[in-house]
Amino acid sequence: SQQGEEDPQALSIQEGENATMNCSYKTSINNLQWYRQNSGRGLVHLILIRSNEREKHSGRLRVTLDTSKKSSSLLITASRAADTASYFCATDAWNTGNQFYFGTGTSLTVIP
Amino acid sequence: GAVVSQHPSRVICKSGTSVKIECRSLDFQATTMFWYRQFPKQSLMLMATSNEGSKATYEQGVEKDKFLINHASLTLSTLTVTSAHPEDSSFYICSASTAGTANYGYTFGSGTRLTVV
Repeated sequence: SQQGEEDPQALSIQEGENATMNCSYKTSINNLQWYRQNSGRGLVHLILIRSNEREKHSGRLRVTLDTSKKSSSLLITASRAADTASYFCATDAWNTGNQFYFGTGTSLTVIP
Repeated sequence: GAVVSQHPSRVICKSGTSVKIECRSLDFQATTMFWYRQFPKQSLMLMATSNEGSKATYEQGVEKDKFLINHASLTLSTLTVTSAHPEDSSFYICSASTAGTANYGYTFGSGTRLTVV
């Protein structure tokens, strides 16, 4: 399968709590990106982390990358109801022609 | 910068007809574009990689004669769903690689919701 795996598949939290989503992938990568998608809408790019980076921050987002474990995590701090969406990780790699493959996604619900 | 425009956003067509979806990079040249399909509550599945001036590379299981891809210029790729059937109803999204620009990454179009009746 071309897809990576994400867990959990679904996550429900109270507003103000932190949300953590994990992504595992199968082959060596160049970059890993996280996207959000509101129901039935297009994708919004959140953050890109390169294979030689271990951690990156953007506002309330924190992304880690562990290439030895082929995994990444996305942490959303102080969640808001507006963060309710599906979140996908996506990877690209030289040895797959730079095709861009998505994980299975995590559906996040933030309860006001 | 790095905007990708996808058109149309929604289309309804009759079974057996063909539908063309356009994907344009507005402010950069995209030598490579990607086409994805997303079924409800599922992830995006890569269908094909489109390289300007050459034939598209299709993922395993994707019928190249059914999903025709043309990437005739550095700013335009098209996906034509030929002889569409209800099972082709899906959300189709294109993306373009911004490699070589200041903000390397992949920019996505806003998607096209295809409904075949």
